[in-house]
Amino acid sequence: QITLKESGPTLVKPTQTLTLTCTFSGFSLSTSGVGVGWIRQPPGKALEWLALIYWDDDKRYSPSLKSRLTITKDTSKNQVVLTMTNMDPVDTATFYCAHVPTGGNWFDPWGQGTLVTVSS
Amino acid sequence: QSVLTQPPSASGTPGQRVTISCSGSSSNIGRNTVNWYQQLPGTAPKLLIYSNNQRPSGVPDRFSGSKSATSASLAISGLQSEDEADYYCATWDDSLNGFVFGTGTKVTVL
Repeated sequence: QITLKESGPTLVKPTQTLTLTCTFSGFSLSTSGVGVGWIRQPPGKALEWLALIYWDDDKRYSPSLKSRLTITKDTSKNQVVLTMTNMDPVDTATFYCAHVPTGGNWFDPWGQGTLVTVSS
Repeated sequence: QSVLTQPPSASGTPGQRVTISCSGSSSNIGRNTVNWYQQLPGTAPKLLIYSNNQRPSGVPDRFSGSKSATSASLAISGLQSEDEADYYCATWDDSLNGFVFGTGTKVTVL
C-alpha cells in the first residue's frame, strides 16, 4: 500500500522561501521509472502541477514557476523535498505530493495535502 | 493558466448520464493519454481514469473515459449522489515539457 504525506509550515511571510517535505512509504524512489510530483491548489481554484522528480534524478518543472522551484529526493529517507522561493500571497494554496508509477503519466495515489498561507 | 479546457459545471438527476469534456491541443491530448481525477469536497484528488479509458481497481464501471484527436471525455452513467465532486482531466504536454491539468468541472446531483 502506497501512502504519501506532506509536511511543512502552514504560514510563511511574503518573500520567504517555502520548504515542503513529502514522506512516503510502500514504494522506493530507486525503482526504475517511478516518480514523485508536487501539485498545488489555491482555495476554490483548479489544480496546478509544479514539479516532478524521477528515480534517476531526472527533474521537471512547471515552465511558469521554474525559476522559483527546486525538487530533490533522499532515497534513503523515502522523502522528496520541494522548495519555492520568493513566496507571495497569491501562492497561498494546498500543496499535494503524489506518486507516479513506472511507465505512467498519472498521479496515484495523492497525499492528504497541506495548506500553506502566505501572509505578513 | 490551465491548458486544458473543461466546462465549469455539469448536473443531472440520480440515474442520469452526465458527460464532461476536456479540450486540449496537438501538444498535449493529441500526443498523450488522458487521465481523470475526482476530488470530493474537502479531500485530495483521486485517480478515476488513466490511459484514456482504464479504471483503477475499485472505481465503479459507471465511470468511463474516451479520447478523440485533441479532446477527451468523462462519462458518468447512473449518476449517484456520492458523485457530487470536482473532476479534472490531465495529461503531459510535449511543448511545455510538463503535466497540465484541466480547469475543472463541478458535478451537481439535482
